[in-house]
Amino acid sequence: NAGVMQNPRHLVRRRGQEARLRCSPMKGHSHVYWYRQLPEEGLKFMVYLQKENIIDESGMPKERFSAEFPKEGPSILRIQQVVRGDSAAYFCASSPFEKNEQYFGPGTRLTVT
Amino acid sequence: ELKVEQNPLFLSMQEGKNYTIYCNYSTTSDRLYWYRQDPGKSLESLFVLLSNGAVKQEGRLMASLDTKARLSTLHITAAVHDLSATYFCAARSGGGADGLTFGKGTHLIIQP
Repeated sequence: NAGVMQNPRHLVRRRGQEARLRCSPMKGHSHVYWYRQLPEEGLKFMVYLQKENIIDESGMPKERFSAEFPKEGPSILRIQQVVRGDSAAYFCASSPFEKNEQYFGPGTRLTVT
Repeated sequence: ELKVEQNPLFLSMQEGKNYTIYCNYSTTSDRLYWYRQDPGKSLESLFVLLSNGAVKQEGRLMASLDTKARLSTLHITAAVHDLSATYFCAARSGGGADGLTFGKGTHLIIQP
């Protein structure tokens, strides 16, 4: 059973471009969480999704950031018009049920130049 | 709002010594997690603690939870170099919120 998969693992974008980060949850998992980790910091919760629904987006910046988890395919975290402050590691986690243990993917390291 | 504080944030110790990392959280949480992260890597789940008085052990690591004091500890016994990593605790507030709130992490270096 493959673990949580994220791609790309590394992404470089110039200021103003768009970044698309993908997350494929573990097989059988329908709950996906996105977290952001700034250098030397802990992870910060961004958004929690189930298939086709955003359940909790209380940690998402109000502008430029969006997330989706379609019926088919991976979850996508989209950052429009990236700025240098968006440079961070973005981790996705999945779980089979609500309130269950979350399993983390390898992360996508975004660098904005 | 749930806040999680770890201390110390940085710890350098010698092999063979014992030490404890502390994790305090500010409001009621229905479960407490400990994770390990190696540089440039993802998070590896170590322990999930569900109830007051819970104690779990794996090798040289032991975690405990005191829900009344809102405190969890990660105790390292007879440290070895391979345990060098950053350790995070995370709490979940429960209710309708399922996202985890993490501490800033404890950067642990174990010197031979």
